[in-house]
Amino acid sequence: DVKVTQSSRYLVKRTGEKVFLECVQDMDHENMFWYRQDPGLGLRLIYFSYDVKMKEKGDIPEGYSVSREKKERFSLILESASTNQTSMYLCASKVGVRDYGYTFGSGTRLTVV
Amino acid sequence: GDSVTQMEGPVTLSEEAFLTINCTYTATGYPSLFWYVQYPGEGLQLLLKATKADDKGSNKGFEATYRKETTSFHLEKGSVQVSDSAVYFCALRSQGAQKLVFGQGTRLTINP
Repeated sequence: DVKVTQSSRYLVKRTGEKVFLECVQDMDHENMFWYRQDPGLGLRLIYFSYDVKMKEKGDIPEGYSVSREKKERFSLILESASTNQTSMYLCASKVGVRDYGYTFGSGTRLTVV
Repeated sequence: GDSVTQMEGPVTLSEEAFLTINCTYTATGYPSLFWYVQYPGEGLQLLLKATKADDKGSNKGFEATYRKETTSFHLEKGSVQVSDSAVYFCALRSQGAQKLVFGQGTRLTINP
């Protein structure tokens, strides 16, 4: 069974901290995504990557950066965490251009205090 | 730009009731359309999809038909169960794009 693993289920960080959210997939997928989920807003795309070291901004990239040094790992970085970044973060991966669907991780609920 | 609009929630039904969750979209060309489900404490799972006009996606008793003329992809189930309680997301992927665009989600609660 395909799997996307997010390293932490819950995180609590302080304002101004640098935060790393890690995502690993075991399916050899080219495409990986970071979404943010907020009530009433659905999921909004932060960044995505279509290959190693390649990245593209999504709809809400401000305050975030990403890293993809290996195909299986896609990291989301909050350079200086703020309280408005308190949210559920979901990682997803997808193979090529086909519509077999996206595989999502279980999410990381981040609270910034 | 591309967008997806879902009916406002939350939706509360009794077991065995008929379910409809409305979804309409705005996109150029012929997007692929999806319904995802999120059970409590879990990530999103693909429920069903349709990739061209008039296609019907189906899974676990749920159905949705890709209606190009009304730009809609409404989710239906004839008889819901308590275990269907979850948040449902409608989404699209435009031609040539990799990212999914999601609706705001609809929380469904089924009472026994």
